[in-house]
Amino acid sequence: QVQLQESGPGLVKPSETLSLRCSVSGGSISSGGYYWSWIRQFPRGGLEWIGYIYAGGNTYSNPSLTSRITISIDTSDNHFSLRLNSVTAADTAVYYCARGFYGSGFDHWGQGTLVTVSS
Amino acid sequence: DIQMTQSPSTLSASVGDTVTITCRASQNIKKWLAWYQQKPGEAPKFLIYGASNLERGVPSRVSGSGSGTEFTLTINNLQPDDFATYYCQHYDEYPLTFGGGTKVDIK
Repeated sequence: QVQLQESGPGLVKPSETLSLRCSVSGGSISSGGYYWSWIRQFPRGGLEWIGYIYAGGNTYSNPSLTSRITISIDTSDNHFSLRLNSVTAADTAVYYCARGFYGSGFDHWGQGTLVTVSS
Repeated sequence: DIQMTQSPSTLSASVGDTVTITCRASQNIKKWLAWYQQKPGEAPKFLIYGASNLERGVPSRVSGSGSGTEFTLTINNLQPDDFATYYCQHYDEYPLTFGGGTKVDIK
């Protein structure tokens, strides 16, 4: 059973960079043609897709965030990462990593990590 | 972006009831729709893909239907474990977007 686990700072200062890592266990991040995703949930409950990356390195991201984000993957260490630049209070959310597949939804999710942007 | 609109936003029901949640897309998404269940403090749980295909382990009293712009999630014989918030999500094009959620609470 594949499991995903987010890690990273819970507090980031405005204008700085948010960096999160998603460690994948129970299966290789390189196999199966999955896309490895970041999704966030705002305090009032709304969900926003941030972007995803394939094992080969191709990425797709939400146009509203493309200029500020970098998604990378490390197949040797079975994890993928998110960097979000120039954060503001509006980026405060629970950040989830998840696994998706073509023609389907996100079938496995991490437990989520709360990131608060505040000085 | 494709807007996903769910109704109602809140639904009160009792154990044993049948509930139906509607999700409308702002444009034709064929059957590229997923449904999730989320409980407080937990990650969303994947229920349905392709508008009507149940993920493994999801009970058969849960069903999905629809295509194009209108979709429904139906839960028959509501059980205590079903009281939660439900979200739809399209994957027809980028960006992927979610509905605003429907909270099913106890009447």
